[in-house]
Amino acid sequence: GAVVSQHPSRVICKSGTSVKIECRSLDFQATTMFWYRQFPKQSLMLMATSNEGSKATYEQGVEKDKFLINHASLTLSTLTVTSAHPEDSSFYICSAMTMNTEAFFGQGTRLTVV
Amino acid sequence: EDQVTQSPEALRLQEGESSSLNCSYTVSGLRGLFWYRQDPGKGPEFLFTLYSAGEEKEKERLKATLTKKESFLHITAPKPEDSATYLCAVQAAGAQKLVFGQGTRLTINP
Repeated sequence: GAVVSQHPSRVICKSGTSVKIECRSLDFQATTMFWYRQFPKQSLMLMATSNEGSKATYEQGVEKDKFLINHASLTLSTLTVTSAHPEDSSFYICSAMTMNTEAFFGQGTRLTVV
Repeated sequence: EDQVTQSPEALRLQEGESSSLNCSYTVSGLRGLFWYRQDPGKGPEFLFTLYSAGEEKEKERLKATLTKKESFLHITAPKPEDSATYLCAVQAAGAQKLVFGQGTRLTINP
């Protein structure tokens, strides 16, 4: 299967600072990438859909100014959590979609805001 | 609105005890149905894509089937390493995003 690499796998940051998470498709070009948030023992919650070269589409209730998404190339999308607060602590996961519309996931990023 | 419901929520089996996980869906035209496996603290791992009713796919001890209303993930003679959460998702025709079910937490006891 296709490989999606997400970094970092874990990050701890201070309240009020910003954190950037990278998502790369290593062996395919992904015109569409997705960002999810997952709470303990719950399913994936879609935050936004990003298409290369255009603005991301955010799901209802997701603050676009807090969760900045950039999809500048066909292999890289980034999620920046701005002015992070403890309630932003969570598991963030990206996925990249192939031309066959199969979605492959990164390893996830555990964000802890202290 | 597209919806996916997975059952049961949790399932405990003895090693070697075969069973099936269910994924019921309603979607405005199905583009694809996806099965993933997720281990704690990891991202979901792709298992199968099914596109049309009657389609079946197999991988080791897993077999996925699809009808117009539901999909089953059959697990034959499971081993403890098959313990994970299994997620089902659908993609509607003309849509990009996947709609996920809540998952089934499968535990295989040795």
